[in-house]
Amino acid sequence: QKEVEQNSGPLSVPEGAIASLNCTYSDRGSQSFFWYRQYSGKSPELIMFIYSNGDKEDGRFTAQLNKASQYVSLLIRDSQPSDSATYLCAVRDDKIIFGKGTRLHILP
Amino acid sequence: NAGVTQTPKFQVLKTGQSMTLQCAQDMNHNSMYWYRQDPGMGLRLIYYSASEGTTDKGEVPNGYNVSRLNKREFSLRLESAAPSQTSVYFCASSDGTDQPQHFGDGTRLSIL
Repeated sequence: QKEVEQNSGPLSVPEGAIASLNCTYSDRGSQSFFWYRQYSGKSPELIMFIYSNGDKEDGRFTAQLNKASQYVSLLIRDSQPSDSATYLCAVRDDKIIFGKGTRLHILP
Repeated sequence: NAGVTQTPKFQVLKTGQSMTLQCAQDMNHNSMYWYRQDPGMGLRLIYYSASEGTTDKGEVPNGYNVSRLNKREFSLRLESAAPSQTSVYFCASSDGTDQPQHFGDGTRLSIL
């Protein structure tokens, strides 16, 4: 059974600090990795995607991928109250599998 | 540019009734997906269509059927609804199965 694991949280981070969200996956053959943000009662929206080992930065967001250790992380710099949401990690090899999400709470 | 449009947004059914959830995308995407999201369970893939003319089972296909009507439209049918199918259903599309997905607003379905 292929799995994508995330800490359910809530992860509480002070405003202005760095939020670090982690995700591990079981299938070494996974090739594509995605982070989605989901506000309560809303649909998921794409934050970042990464295909290669290393870091990928987009504004305040950085995705980090380590295929050897089978983990992918999302860093949010200068956290804002509007970043409070559930963050979903998704991993694809032949089919896409979503983690159950980490609830992030930014403390004003 | 509407993106991914799902209808209806809300529906209440009785056990045993049938229903089709509609999904259309205007991004000329090749791949389309149906998910259900339940509390504590995350997003689970029901069926997907990698390209027009193909459909494949996901993680939880039992009790559902799909039709890829054309490149734009991908419908999900419940033939005989059961209370266990009460959920929020999301349709998504992407340029390819390894590409980021764009989600519709969801259909909140309750089965009594």
